[in-house]
Amino acid sequence: DSGVTQTPKHLITATGQRVTLRCSPRSGDLSVYWYQQSLDQGLQFLIQYYNGEERAKGNILERFSAQQFPDLHSELNLSSLELGDSALYFCASSGDRVNSPLHFGNGTRLTVT
Amino acid sequence: AQSVTQLDSQVPVFEEAPVELRCNYSSSVSVYLFWYVQYPNQGLQLLLKYLSGSTLVKGINGFEAEFNKSQTSFHLRKPSVHISDTAEYFCAVKGPVTGKSTFGDGTTLTVKP
Repeated sequence: DSGVTQTPKHLITATGQRVTLRCSPRSGDLSVYWYQQSLDQGLQFLIQYYNGEERAKGNILERFSAQQFPDLHSELNLSSLELGDSALYFCASSGDRVNSPLHFGNGTRLTVT
Repeated sequence: AQSVTQLDSQVPVFEEAPVELRCNYSSSVSVYLFWYVQYPNQGLQLLLKYLSGSTLVKGINGFEAEFNKSQTSFHLRKPSVHISDTAEYFCAVKGPVTGKSTFGDGTTLTVKP
C-alpha cells in the first residue's frame, strides 16, 4: 500500500462531458503529481503541485486543470472530453527531498464513449 | 534536459532464468535513478533507487541494478525470475535541482513456465 488514495477507480462518461478525479497524497507528502498513461503515449507527466501551489507543468491540455487544496488533497478536472482522453490517470506524491521517489496511487481508469 | 531510453519494449523469459532490463539515460548533470514496477491494474511501485555511493543497488523481490556513469546506464537484473515477476518495468531519472522525474517507455517482462 503506497498510502496514496485515488477515487474513483473507474469512470465511464460520454464525449463532451466533464469529470473530476480525486487524490489524497501519502501522509506528510506536500508534492502531488498527475500522470496520464495510455497505450500509445506511455506515461505522460501532466502537472505537479507543492503545498497548494503549481510547481511544474507537463503535457497538460488546456481542457484539463488541477488544484491542490489546503488539506493537500488534489483534484484533476477534465472537460470537453474526447475519445482520446480515455486512459489511466495516476496521482503520485513525494517527500520534500529532491531525491525522494514517487509513491503512486492505483489510478483512475477513464473511458470516454 | 534529461531523457531515458529503455532499450527493450518486451522481454520474454522462462521461469528461473536470469533477466536484464536495459536502461540508458541522458543528462547534462548528475541525476538520481529509479526503477519502478507496475503489476496489472495497479500503480507503479518503487523497486530500487540509486542516489549516491555504491554503484550496485539492491531492491525488493531480489532485483538489483548497477549504475554505470561512463556508459550512462542503469540496467536492472535478477538472477532467477518467477512467474510473479511478470509486469511492466519503468526506469526513471530525477534531476538534482527541480526534482522533475522523467520516465522511460517501459519494458514488459513476461515470465513463461
